Amino acid sequence: DVKVTQSSRYLVKRTGEKVFLECVQDMDHENMFWYRQDPGLGLRLIYFSYDVKMKEKGDIPEGYSVSREKKERFSLILESASTNQTSMYLCASSSDRTGAATEQYFGPGTRLTVT
Amino acid sequence: AQSVSQHNHHVILSEAASLELGCNYSYGGTVNLFWYVQYPGQHLQLLLKYFSGDPLVKGIKGFEAEFIKSKFSFNLRKPSVQWSDTAEYFCAVNPSGGSYIPTFGRGTSLIVHP
Repeated sequence: DVKVTQSSRYLVKRTGEKVFLECVQDMDHENMFWYRQDPGLGLRLIYFSYDVKMKEKGDIPEGYSVSREKKERFSLILESASTNQTSMYLCASSSDRTGAATEQYFGPGTRLTVT
Repeated sequence: AQSVSQHNHHVILSEAASLELGCNYSYGGTVNLFWYVQYPGQHLQLLLKYFSGDPLVKGIKGFEAEFIKSKFSFNLRKPSVQWSDTAEYFCAVNPSGGSYIPTFGRGTSLIVHP
C-alpha cells in the first residue's frame, strides 16, 4: 500500500519566517509533486520532480523552492513566509515518468497558517 | 495547454438521490482521465480512471464515469448517494503519451443530507 507522509498536519508561522514542509513516500516512485489547495481554486502545482536532484517549476512557483536529495523525500521551502501563502499544501507521488495513465498518490496535507 | 472545467462547484443532495458531476476538458488528442475524491479530513484518493477501452469506467463505492470523446466529457455518476459520499471531487486529465503531470479541475463540493 502506497504511503505518502507529510511532516506536519498543522503549522503556524510568522511572516518572514523560513518554512520547511517535508514529504516522504515509501513506494520508490520517481515523480513527486507539491500542490497548494485553496477553496474554489482546486489544486495548483507549485513544483515537481521526476528524479533525485531534478526539479521543475509548476504553475505557481513564486515564493517557493524545493529540494530532492533522496528519491523518497521531497521538501518544499518557503524562503520568507507571507500571509498569502496561508493554505493547504499537498504532496503527491506517482510511479511512471512516461506513463500518463498512472495515478497520483497524495499525502494527508499540511495546513499552513502564516500570521 | 489543456484545461479542465467542473461546472458544479457545490452540490447538495438528499440520501438516495442520483448524482452526476460534470467534467469537461479541452485537448484535441488522446487523454487519460481521473476522478479523485477527498473525504472530510482525509487525503485525496483515486476514485476511478480511464486510459483506454470501455468508455464506461467503474470505480470504488459504486461510482462510475463515462468518457464521451465527442463531447470532451468525463462525467461522474452514482445512482443513489449516501451521507458518506459527502466529499470534494476533482476531475483531472493527462494527454496520453505526454506529460505525467495532470491538470485538475477546481473541484466540486458534494454535501449529502441524511
